[in-house]
Amino acid sequence: EPEVTQTPSHQVTQMGQEVILRCVPISNHLYFYWYRQILGQKVEFLVSFYNNEISEKSEIFDDQFSVERPDGSNFTLKIRSTKLEDSAMYFCASRVRQGQGLVTGANVLTFGAGSRLTVL
Amino acid sequence: AQSVTQPDIHITVSEGASLELRCNYSYGATPYLFWYVQSPGQGLQLLLKYFSGDTLVQGIKGFEAEFKRSQSSFNLRKPSVHWSDAAEYFCAVATGFQKLVFGTGTRLLVSP
Repeated sequence: EPEVTQTPSHQVTQMGQEVILRCVPISNHLYFYWYRQILGQKVEFLVSFYNNEISEKSEIFDDQFSVERPDGSNFTLKIRSTKLEDSAMYFCASRVRQGQGLVTGANVLTFGAGSRLTVL
Repeated sequence: AQSVTQPDIHITVSEGASLELRCNYSYGATPYLFWYVQSPGQGLQLLLKYFSGDTLVQGIKGFEAEFKRSQSSFNLRKPSVHWSDAAEYFCAVATGFQKLVFGTGTRLLVSP
């Protein structure tokens, strides 16, 4: 079964350092997402990405965050200068383009296993 | 604003007993509703979804959920819980086609 893969599975970094989290979405998917889950809290939407641009972002997604699809397969989340409160599990997700396949399948996000970020 | 409420933070069920996890949503239009499960150290796995039609939907691992518009609920059920069902369960509503809004989750503990 196709899956979304994320690397690294766990990264420990010092406060103020830059971090890049990588995701390989399912190959025929065209919408991409990052979510995060701070320990003990709910999963929160960060950003959605389509056609090489951000389509929606949350208040959490400030200037310290950026996303990129550098080579047509990877989808990355960069945190420029990490803060303690960025410690969380970051989930990548993707879905098919609306209209492809079953309509009922268009809204189904497939999530990766997550990248745990620990900022010290 | 769209929101999802899962009123139970923790639930403990004996193995073999039935399970119901509650979910209430707030959304102005017809909701697209989901249940995801997160096992320890794992990502989010889709259990089932509701878009339209039959309000009782079947999912994987023997789970089902019933959409009740009058109660704004989408409760998850399983007739007989297995120890491997111990995990965190998240209810979510899709807002348009762009994102999911999750509830705070319910941690299921299964006792022998």
